[in-house]
Amino acid sequence: DAGVTQSPTHLIKTRGQHVTLRCSPISGHKSVSWYQQVLGQGPQFIFQYYEKEERGRGNFPDRFSARQFPNYSSELNVNALLLGDSALYLCASSLGDRNSPLHFGNGTRLTVT
Amino acid sequence: GDSVTQMEGPVTLSEEACLTINCTYTATGYPSLFWYVQYPGEGLQLLLKATKADDKGSNKGFEATYRKETTSFHLEKGSVQVSDSAVYFCALRTSYDKVIFGPGTSLSVIP
Repeated sequence: DAGVTQSPTHLIKTRGQHVTLRCSPISGHKSVSWYQQVLGQGPQFIFQYYEKEERGRGNFPDRFSARQFPNYSSELNVNALLLGDSALYLCASSLGDRNSPLHFGNGTRLTVT
Repeated sequence: GDSVTQMEGPVTLSEEACLTINCTYTATGYPSLFWYVQYPGEGLQLLLKATKADDKGSNKGFEATYRKETTSFHLEKGSVQVSDSAVYFCALRTSYDKVIFGPGTSLSVIP
């Protein structure tokens, strides 16, 4: 079975630009969540979507937004990019209950110059 | 708020040495606890989990026991291999998919 897939794998953007990152969950998983991992730190929770509804939001500015499509894939959008947005963005999918594990993709490495 | 603290790295061990990575947490309610591993150039992988007090998670020779009285979930392995070199993250989850991760501990195992 295919795991969680993310695209693109790498991205270079300029300050002030907009970026869209994409994620396809494992087949059968209805929950998708997004994390930001700055180099040398643990991942930080950004959003969770379940059945196309936002279920949770982390402490990130409104420049960050996301959505989930009817096929359960998801997009993360970041507007007005800052240098500090440079990070590895991880997508994870799960069945959605508290005890089911998160399955992570390999991430999108975003560099803002 | 909820948080995870784990020992600072990097940790360097010789092959076949014993490993302990300390992890303590602060949480309201009854969290599930996890250890995730990130091998060089790869994504996060679930290593083991425990969902209630006194549960022991185990996988690939690694073990961790959910200790509610000490709010700890220390990772242990009796004999490490070079292939265990990675970054290890302790994490907790109290609801839905908001997982709170520790800062990570980098482990290098030398032959």
